[in-house]
Amino acid sequence: DTGVSQNPRHKITKRGQNVTFRCDPISEHNRLYWYRQTLGQGPEFLTYFQNEAQLEKSRLLSDRFSAERPKGSFSTLEIQRTEQGDSAMYLCASRGGPAGPEQFFGPGTRLTVL
Amino acid sequence: GIQVEQSPPDLILQEGANSTLRCNFSDSVNNLQWFHQNPWGQLINLFYIPSGTKQNGRLSATTVATERYSLLYISSSQTTDSGVYFCSGATYTGNQFYFGTGTSLTVIP
Repeated sequence: DTGVSQNPRHKITKRGQNVTFRCDPISEHNRLYWYRQTLGQGPEFLTYFQNEAQLEKSRLLSDRFSAERPKGSFSTLEIQRTEQGDSAMYLCASRGGPAGPEQFFGPGTRLTVL
Repeated sequence: GIQVEQSPPDLILQEGANSTLRCNFSDSVNNLQWFHQNPWGQLINLFYIPSGTKQNGRLSATTVATERYSLLYISSSQTTDSGVYFCSGATYTGNQFYFGTGTSLTVIP
């Protein structure tokens, strides 16, 4: 098992464009989390999936953000009509199942909106 | 939501020194973890420690769940210990995790 992977690692886009990020969790983990981290801050929770069900969404998650986890495997996070304030590191984490309660993070996708 | 306070916010140490990082939670949490974020942004697991004490080499951690705080001890610090240290805890449903703003550690040779 190679851990949590995220793609792309970096994304530069122009304001108003749509972007989509992918997260592949550790295979036996049934819980998946998305976070956003800005400079000097800790990760902020965005949303949570248990298997394919999205069970929790932060108030930070505006209508421009949508996340999916089809078939309870990989997950995508889409941001529509990006704004400069969306520039941040987007982190994915997974945990659960036989692997236990620890949360493991991917390397993140760094988004820059020009 | 749960507020997580970490102290100190910044710490500069001479190589070989010891340090203690603290994390306070505004409410009871589950699944308490400590992470080290490297310069490339990767969060590396240090401890899963909902209660009690654990040790791993030069690092150890103690959580007093009834008083809603946790401590991370770094002994004989090395330059590779530099980076930002975060603690995190979850609501009891495990659906949402909260992080502090971190302690930025710089170890100088």
